Amino acid sequence: DARVTQTPRHKVTEMGQEVTMRCQPILGHNTVFWYRQTMMQGLELLAYFRNRAPLDDSGMPKDRFSAEMPDATLATLKIQPSEPRDSAVYFCASGPTVRETQYFGPGTRLLVL
Amino acid sequence: QKEVEQDPGPLSVPEGAIVSLNCTYSNSAFQYFMWYRQYSRKGPELLMYTYSSGNKEDGRFTAQVDKSSKYISLFIRDSQPSDSATYLCAMTRTTGNQFYFGTGTSLTVIP
Repeated sequence: DARVTQTPRHKVTEMGQEVTMRCQPILGHNTVFWYRQTMMQGLELLAYFRNRAPLDDSGMPKDRFSAEMPDATLATLKIQPSEPRDSAVYFCASGPTVRETQYFGPGTRLLVL
Repeated sequence: QKEVEQDPGPLSVPEGAIVSLNCTYSNSAFQYFMWYRQYSRKGPELLMYTYSSGNKEDGRFTAQVDKSSKYISLFIRDSQPSDSATYLCAMTRTTGNQFYFGTGTSLTVIP
């Protein structure tokens, strides 16, 4: 049963600290997406990759967020320095092609104090 | 104005009722339309996927797309308590890569 995995599932940190979230996409999927979900904004696309290359990260605050895919089995999203307004659930999703469906991971719940 | 608008609800219905969930959108270039179901504290999971206009049926679920009105719907027949979740619509263009999501409608089916 292939699925997207994310670590950590929960993270509590203090303002100013670095946060790293990891995602393992489904084997064979060549697109990876990072989303942030809040009650007010819903799901917001932060960045996505195709074949490990970043295609669009316009939804991401560039000064503090960075997303990478060091290899086909790992995607990372980093926040440095973190701020309380970054508190949200961060989802990773992967898909076989960009226009087809995406399969979501369980999310990382981030709380920045 | 957001690209995709969705009534957040909450919507509460008795078991067995027919549920209608809707989204409107502003970009006529959208061609691919999806409905996701998200249970509490879980990631969204794909429910229905349609291309362009028309209807698609899968068991108790029917997705409708009306491109002339820029309006999509998800119907749930014989609703069950297990259908209680948040339902998100999503769409994307023929070209380009970004998925646009609605904010989700919270549904509760009361036994």
